[in-house]
Amino acid sequence: EPEVTQTPSHQVTQMGQEVILRCVPISNHLYFYWYRQILGQKVEFLVSFYNNEISEKSEIFDDQFSVERPDGSNFTLKIRSTKLEDSAMYFCASSVQPNTEAFFGQGTRLTVV
Amino acid sequence: AQSVSQHNHHVILSEAASLELGCNYSYGGTVNLFWYVQYPGQHLQLLLKYFSGDPLVKGIKGFEAEFIKSKFSFNLRKPSVQWSDTAEYFCAVKGGSSNTGKLIFGQGTTLQVKP
Repeated sequence: EPEVTQTPSHQVTQMGQEVILRCVPISNHLYFYWYRQILGQKVEFLVSFYNNEISEKSEIFDDQFSVERPDGSNFTLKIRSTKLEDSAMYFCASSVQPNTEAFFGQGTRLTVV
Repeated sequence: AQSVSQHNHHVILSEAASLELGCNYSYGGTVNLFWYVQYPGQHLQLLLKYFSGDPLVKGIKGFEAEFIKSKFSFNLRKPSVQWSDTAEYFCAVKGGSSNTGKLIFGQGTTLQVKP
């Protein structure tokens, strides 16, 4: 069964450092997403991406964040200068269309120290 | 503002007990509704979804949910839980005419089933 894969599963980084979280969406999917979940809180939408452009982003997704599809398979989330409050589980997801089921990866736990 | 509220944060049941997890949403317009489950150490998986038609939808592993439009609710039910249902359950909503696919999640309910 096709699945969304995320690497790494856990990343520890120092405050102020840049991190790149990687995702490989399901191959025939066209819409890609990042969500995050701070420990004990809701899963929050960060950004949706289609046709090499951001189609929607949340207030959380400020200038410190960026997304990219560098090739035909990967979808990355970059945080330029991490803050302690960026510590969270980050989930990548993909879907065929925006109104169809989104499939989620296992998440990357980011710990900023 | 768009929001999803799950009434129960932590539910503890014995095996064979019946389950109902509440979910209410606030969203203008048509909606698509979802329940996702996250088993320990695993990714979010879709349990069931409602797009249109019969408001009682059946999902995997014996779960079902009922969309009650007048109550803005989409409660999840299972007549008899098993130990393997121990997981975190998330209700989510998407605008029916969304062209970006954004999902809004509830805060999640942790279900613990005692053998």
